[in-house]
Amino acid sequence: DVKVTQSSRYLVKRTGEKVFLECVQDMDHENMFWYRQDPGLGLRLIYFSYDVKMKEKGDIPEGYSVSREKKERFSLILESASTNQTSMYLCASRARYRGRLSTDTQYFGPGTRLTVL
Amino acid sequence: AQSVTQPDIHITVSEGASLELRCNYSYGATPYLFWYVQSPGQGLQLLLKYFSGDTLVQGIKGFEAEFKRSQSSFNLRKPSVHWSDAAEYFCAVGAGVPSFQKLVFGTGTRLLVSP
Repeated sequence: DVKVTQSSRYLVKRTGEKVFLECVQDMDHENMFWYRQDPGLGLRLIYFSYDVKMKEKGDIPEGYSVSREKKERFSLILESASTNQTSMYLCASRARYRGRLSTDTQYFGPGTRLTVL
Repeated sequence: AQSVTQPDIHITVSEGASLELRCNYSYGATPYLFWYVQSPGQGLQLLLKYFSGDTLVQGIKGFEAEFKRSQSSFNLRKPSVHWSDAAEYFCAVGAGVPSFQKLVFGTGTRLLVSP
């Protein structure tokens, strides 16, 4: 089974702190994704990475950065946390596209619920 | 731009009754469509997906979905709901070329199952 783990299930931080959210996958997937989930808004893509050291902005990258130094690990960084970044953060991974018969399934971690006070 | 609409925020169904969750998408090309389920405190789990071919797709846990291009819909169905199906359900469309595909999610439908 694919396993995507996130470093914390719950996290409480103060405004202005630098916050690191870690995600690790064990299936040698090339692609990794960070989403935030808010009630009534569904999941919105923050950043994604197609391979090591590669990153692309998603739909809501403002206030976030990412790091992908190793294939299995994708970190989301809040440089200076703000109260409007209180949310559920979900990480996902996916194998590289290898043609129409390959799987396009994204596998999700359990999420980190971040509260910024 | 691609988008997904799930018009029902909450749905309550009696245990044993049938279920249909609605999903409408907006996408110019042939869509890649997905349904995910999120149980309380859990991440998202894939129920089923449609890429091409047969428009009726079977998934896990007894769910199925039908792709209707003329209606831009991909509704999720289950003939008999179990209490363990209570969860939030998300429809998603794959946007962009397959190699760089991103998922665009709907806002979700929360399913409540009454005894």
